[in-house]
Amino acid sequence: GAGVSQSPSNKVTEKGKDVELRCDPISGHTALYWYRQSLGQGLEFLIYFQGNSAPDKSGLPSDRFSAERTGGSVSTLTIQRTQQEDSAVYLCASSLGAVTGELFFGEGSRLTVL
Amino acid sequence: QKEVEQDPGPLSVPEGAIVSLNCTYSNSAFQYFMWYRQYSRKGPELLMYTYSSGNKEDGRFTAQVDKSSKYISLFIRDSQPSDSATYLCLATGGTSYGKLTFGQGTILTVHP
Repeated sequence: GAGVSQSPSNKVTEKGKDVELRCDPISGHTALYWYRQSLGQGLEFLIYFQGNSAPDKSGLPSDRFSAERTGGSVSTLTIQRTQQEDSAVYLCASSLGAVTGELFFGEGSRLTVL
Repeated sequence: QKEVEQDPGPLSVPEGAIVSLNCTYSNSAFQYFMWYRQYSRKGPELLMYTYSSGNKEDGRFTAQVDKSSKYISLFIRDSQPSDSATYLCLATGGTSYGKLTFGQGTILTVHP
């Protein structure tokens, strides 16, 4: 596609359920990033992929969060046993490389945990 | 201390005003500096990109980097209501490649 695609755009779930958020980056972009944005807050770095590997997982808030990327393309962010504090917009971005920081963002997945 | 600090505002100005948005950073190895603009319920988009120190101008927007004081600025001239958005600064480089750290973002409202 022409841009970064994220799904679902909105997700409402009950506390304790697992959720999967998907990101389809721009074709040919080797670097992929996940950020979390809580209401009125800035972008919190979660994880970064270069190809299929994640050199930096330091931003994942807890072991309930995991992410993978397959085929150097689509990435999935999984949150297990969701908590109310997980409610936020999860943004995915991709770039040609990890050096210059020219990120292209998707529209985000808005997660609400009841 | 966060690597990139930004005053979250909010900032409210009348149409036509000059707006100054600022960030400071702590890592002297940073050499790439960017400003992103985020409209409500949208993903951020790249607005200005600067390498190392100096100024860069694009229309009504000017980005300025002072590496000696670790200070980056974005100026908006003749501000318009359509400039109302959240502005996020980003600094990267050195050993921080990959973990791209944004400032908290400044919420700007330009009222007619």
